[in-house]
This record gives sequence, structure tokens and C-alpha cells, in this order.
Amino acid sequence: AQTVTQSQPEMSVQEAETVTLSCTYDTSESDYYLFWYKQPPSRQMILVIRQEAYKQQNATENRFSVNFQKAAKSFSLKISDSQLGDAAMYFCAYVGVGQFYFGTGTSLTVIP
Amino acid sequence: GAGVSQTPSNKVTEKGKYVELRCDPISGHTALYWYRQSLGQGPEFLIYFQGTGAADDSGLPNDRFFAVRPEGSVSTLKIQRTERGDSAMYLCASSLTAGLNSPLHFGNGTRLTVT
Repeated sequence: AQTVTQSQPEMSVQEAETVTLSCTYDTSESDYYLFWYKQPPSRQMILVIRQEAYKQQNATENRFSVNFQKAAKSFSLKISDSQLGDAAMYFCAYVGVGQFYFGTGTSLTVIP
Repeated sequence: GAGVSQTPSNKVTEKGKYVELRCDPISGHTALYWYRQSLGQGPEFLIYFQGTGAADDSGLPNDRFFAVRPEGSVSTLKIQRTERGDSAMYLCASSLTAGLNSPLHFGNGTRLTVT
């Protein structure tokens, strides 16, 4: 069975600084996608970034980038120039055939 | 365009009662998912539909939980004989297809409280 592990229940970052959220996963599949979702207090889950497993190049979306290490099954999220609006729960998700698996989340606090 | 709509946003019910939670996906999205999220946890998969049929219902915790999507659009999650342990946020998501590259678009959830 696929599992997704986020080992950091809480993280904090100073505004304008950079923070990295960790995620590891376990799978025997070779073709899959990885996602990071953000859930602010308003509670709607919002897609932040996605990574295709067969692509070696790390995905980037503006201030958000990932460090994808396929052999290590690691998929960390880097947030640069952190803003107050980045404060939220962040969930790492693995998707195989027809199934999304989520980690337990990391609560990010941004300190003004 | 309109996103995924879930109603009601909050539901309080007494133990033993029956509840229905509704999800209206994004128009044209063929795949629809139900998740349950307890406080401080990540979303837990319940069931997903491809069109009208349940493609995978392995996440439903027991036979008190049932979901339908009769016309391939709106879905209803039904919970019979509710228990206090059913209290959680129930999230619905839809995607264009069930393919690997099709991200989920979530609704705002229904917070169910069983007293």
C-alpha cells in the first residue's frame, strides 16, 4: 500500500525568509504524480504544485518549488520569500491509479 | 467558473440519525471523490466515482456509509445510524479525469458533528 509521511507537524518561518517542508512516500509503482496542497483556515484545499515522477526536473511555480528525489522517495516543498498569506496546513499527496493518498500535514506559521 | 459546491457547510445531528451530504462537482469533471478529514489529520479516502459508477469504495469504513452519483454529476454521501466517531470534515473533490495528471479540485467541505 502507498503511504505518505510528513514528519514535521509544525513549522514556522520569518516573513520574507525561505522554508522547506518535508515529505516522503512509499510505493512500488514507477509511474505516479506528487502534489502539494495548501489548506488555509478557510478550509478549502488549494493545489500548490505538482510533480511528474518520470520527469527529473523539479517543478517550480513562482515562489514555490520542489526537491524531488525519486530514488529516495522524497518530495519536499520550498517556499521562498514567505508571505503572511502562506500560513496554512500543507499536505503532500501521492497519486497512483485513481487514488490520492495524503500525508498528515504540516502547519506553517509565518511570523511578521 | 463555479467550483465544487458542498452542502450543507455544517451539519449537527443526534447519534443514531441519518444524514445526507451533497456534492456538486465542477461541470464536465468525470471523476468525483469523497474524503473524510479529522482534526489535525490529512484527508482520508472514502470513495471515488468515475462517471456514475463507484470505481473504488474501499475507503468506506463500514456499511453505514454509502454514496451515489446517479447521473454522473451530483453525488450524495449517506450515513446511517450516525455515531459520535463519524464527526469530521467531509470533503468532496472532482477532477477532469481519474488520470494521474488530473489534480483534485476541492469543495469547502461539510463539517459533521454528531452529538
